Amino acid sequence: GDSVTQMEGPVTLSEEAFLTINCTYTATGYPSLFWYVQYPGEGLQLLLKATKADDKGSNKGFEATYRKETTSFHLEKGSVQVSDSAVYFCALRVSGGYNKLIFGAGTRLAVHP
Amino acid sequence: DVKVTQSSRYLVKRTGEKVFLECVQDMDHENMFWYRQDPGLGLRLIYFSYDVKMKEKGDIPEGYSVSREKKERFSLILESASTNQTSMYLCASSWATGGNTGELFFGEGSRLTVL
Repeated sequence: GDSVTQMEGPVTLSEEAFLTINCTYTATGYPSLFWYVQYPGEGLQLLLKATKADDKGSNKGFEATYRKETTSFHLEKGSVQVSDSAVYFCALRVSGGYNKLIFGAGTRLAVHP
Repeated sequence: DVKVTQSSRYLVKRTGEKVFLECVQDMDHENMFWYRQDPGLGLRLIYFSYDVKMKEKGDIPEGYSVSREKKERFSLILESASTNQTSMYLCASSWATGGNTGELFFGEGSRLTVL
């Protein structure tokens, strides 16, 4: 079945460091891919998305490119801030309607001044 | 802005109690979802609904039921709570095919502890 695998956390970085969070997926067809972020005490919110191969999603300085050949959708940011501390979830949309998403396990990011 | 409201942020219940978790959305979304979130497991889909009175099982429906009597409201029911149902429960909603972004809109979550 469809699945999403994320790198385990926590990831601990200093402010202004470069961030990569790896995400790979298994799916039939060509699913839409998403990154969601969960700040402390809040629900998940959409960070960025890509709907087809080679699409690049971007938002708030974060980027991810849909790589069909490696079935990956790695999240990157050039210079993280303390305010980026959160849990990040990679997700794919299941084919067959109803807009169902399958999520990875989540990666906790802690950024220190 | 879309708002998804979950009735209780924190609940403590005893084993065997019946538990109701309520979720209301204000965007006239067709789809509503209940996930549970556990460390190391991410979000797992319990049930979803694509219309009033319509429901489909997700990946982990055992021990849960749902009710959708009105379009804006989706309830998760634990008929007889057990300690392994201690978790964070997240409600989400979306348009039927996801709209322009395919986005799910989430509530803030309900943290349930079963003693």
